[in-house]
Amino acid sequence: DQQVKQNSPSLSVQEGRISILNCDYTNSMFDYFLWYKKYPAEGPTFLISISSIKDKNEDGRFTVFLNKSAKHLSLHIVPSQPGDSAVYFCAARDDKIIFGKGTRLHILP
Amino acid sequence: NAGVMQNPRHLVRRRGQEARLRCSPMKGHSHVYWYRQLPEEGLKFMVYLQKENIIDESGMPKERFSAEFPKEGPSILRIQQVVRGDSAAYFCASSPDTPQYNSPLHFGNGTRLTVT
Repeated sequence: DQQVKQNSPSLSVQEGRISILNCDYTNSMFDYFLWYKKYPAEGPTFLISISSIKDKNEDGRFTVFLNKSAKHLSLHIVPSQPGDSAVYFCAARDDKIIFGKGTRLHILP
Repeated sequence: NAGVMQNPRHLVRRRGQEARLRCSPMKGHSHVYWYRQLPEEGLKFMVYLQKENIIDESGMPKERFSAEFPKEGPSILRIQQVVRGDSAAYFCASSPDTPQYNSPLHFGNGTRLTVT
């Protein structure tokens, strides 16, 4: 039973355009949400997070939006760059951090 | 500026052998988490430890798996009598605070266990 769902296994976006990665969750007790980026043969790297008391957090090219009523969050990357090609994991916390299955983002030249 | 250090990076074991995976958290971090990633899957929580204490082991298989984080030295994830289904990437993460604080986890580069 998956509490954090990333329904798109992969996504291709043209360089320079906006990448939007989506994540849904089922547990209304989650109070902190995170996005991680992972390259092959490396560990996940923390990107950005958002507390449940906010609906938006921005850090440079990365913005995370949280819609609590829909139990949905998204990560926007703009403009997308070749180095953004990676697997992106959405994660959420109750008493531990739970990860989705990831979305593989391909940035096309 | 050492991050989370895991060793070995790759580990090959025959069925029935023991696997020992080591994790040294970031300097100043006293909270360690182990996650497992099976092929084409996400990261599955296994266990959360503080120094000398297991806080949450709800994700650990009931048999053959154990974890420790002694007062001195790295955290160890031990898998006894390995089977092919144990083949996966095992990631360790650390944080400076308890989960109630908004501190992200910092991950090591993982140990890739292959059981032949």
